[in-house]
Amino acid sequence: DGGITQSPKYLFRKEGQNVTLSCEQNLNHDAMYWYRQDPGQGLRLIYYSQIVNDFQKGDIAEGYSVSREKKESFPLTVTSAQKNPTAFYLCASKFKAVSNTGELFFGEGSRLTVL
Amino acid sequence: QKEVEQNSGPLSVPEGAIASLNCTYSDRGSQSFFWYRQYSGKSPELIMFIYSNGDKEDGRFTAQLNKASQYVSLLIRDSQPSDSATYLCAVILRSHGSGNTGKLIFGQGTTLQVKP
Repeated sequence: DGGITQSPKYLFRKEGQNVTLSCEQNLNHDAMYWYRQDPGQGLRLIYYSQIVNDFQKGDIAEGYSVSREKKESFPLTVTSAQKNPTAFYLCASKFKAVSNTGELFFGEGSRLTVL
Repeated sequence: QKEVEQNSGPLSVPEGAIASLNCTYSDRGSQSFFWYRQYSGKSPELIMFIYSNGDKEDGRFTAQLNKASQYVSLLIRDSQPSDSATYLCAVILRSHGSGNTGKLIFGQGTTLQVKP
């Protein structure tokens, strides 16, 4: 089945450790996104990638890094520089980033808790 | 000013009533608008998208777009308890003079409670 797979679903880490969240899609989508959601809040854009080997910062990129070496994969690293990393992280993909049309497909999310 | 704004609610309506959810956006050039529904602890799912001024209906849902006033709304007719969720408005931002940026921005969401 086509879709987006995020892993792990739950992750606990100690303060000061880097963490990498995996996101893989087999939808043949060009565009991929990472969002962060805090309790009772909407989605805030961390990074997005319109095509392989290219990505742009979103509104809250500080303390995060990404790579897009393959079309299917868009991993997110939460670094120790991120001051408040505990949140629900959502990866999404879209056929073409700049297209007006097209649904954004979401993974099931990764819930990161920093102890 | 936030790029996409919604009243966080909660908006409480009785079962069978019409729920009206509103969203305003700051980028006058935006062309594409989306409504997502998110149940607690789950990922958002697309309900509707709208590109043209006016109304777009799909079953019990109607999206309304007014580009001049920079707002988009979602009406849910005959509200059911299963409609209780957070509704997220999303907008694709446009760059200055060169089309879509590819940047899809969400509002903070409105929590809807439908009471039996």
